[in-house]
Amino acid sequence: GEDVEQSLFLSVREGDSSVINCTYTDSSSTYLYWYKQEPGAGLQLLTYIFSNMDMKQDQRLTVLLNKKDKHLSLRIADTQTGDSAIYFCAFNTGGFKTIFGAGTRLFVKA
Amino acid sequence: DTAVSQTPKYLVTQMGNDKSIKCEQNLGHDTMYWYKQDSKKFLKIMFSYNNKELIINETVPNRFSPKSPDKAHLNLHINSLELGDSAVYFCASSQRDRGLSGNTIYFGEGSWLTVV
Repeated sequence: GEDVEQSLFLSVREGDSSVINCTYTDSSSTYLYWYKQEPGAGLQLLTYIFSNMDMKQDQRLTVLLNKKDKHLSLRIADTQTGDSAIYFCAFNTGGFKTIFGAGTRLFVKA
Repeated sequence: DTAVSQTPKYLVTQMGNDKSIKCEQNLGHDTMYWYKQDSKKFLKIMFSYNNKELIINETVPNRFSPKSPDKAHLNLHINSLELGDSAVYFCASSQRDRGLSGNTIYFGEGSWLTVV
């Protein structure tokens, strides 16, 4: 069936890079997303990648997709305290149903 | 210029009551959703409507009834509230794009429901 797995916690020091990993099971995943949820707020779309891409860069964010291993990662360069949040990966196979991972809680230490 | 807005943001109510959460989107999207986020932050889809037609109906107690008067609105009515219904309920919308973004979902700010 469809499943998305993420590690639950990540702690980094301010200024370091953060790498949040995600694996998925559905090989027909076409669109893959990263969302950010700050405390008391909704999920905010950070970035997305199409399955025919290996990498996408947007300012401090780099998304890497390894289709063979069904592995998606989000790298945040120069992590700031304001980056502390829960990060969800999600995938969609082109239909209406998007499957979300359990979220990775990123803690940034000053 | 809020894209997806839902009300109320906070709701505290007693067991057995009936309550509604309203949602509106001004993005012109055809599809709207209700998601439930539990205390461990797991996010699960409950319902989805496309052009006012129910297209996704996950295993949800029939005490939960969505209503879509038009494609910009999707309300959630909950009858006979139980303690286990306490959660954050997110409304969302999307527009399928067979280009590079697929079916990107945009979320509202959430409605925190506490049943006592």
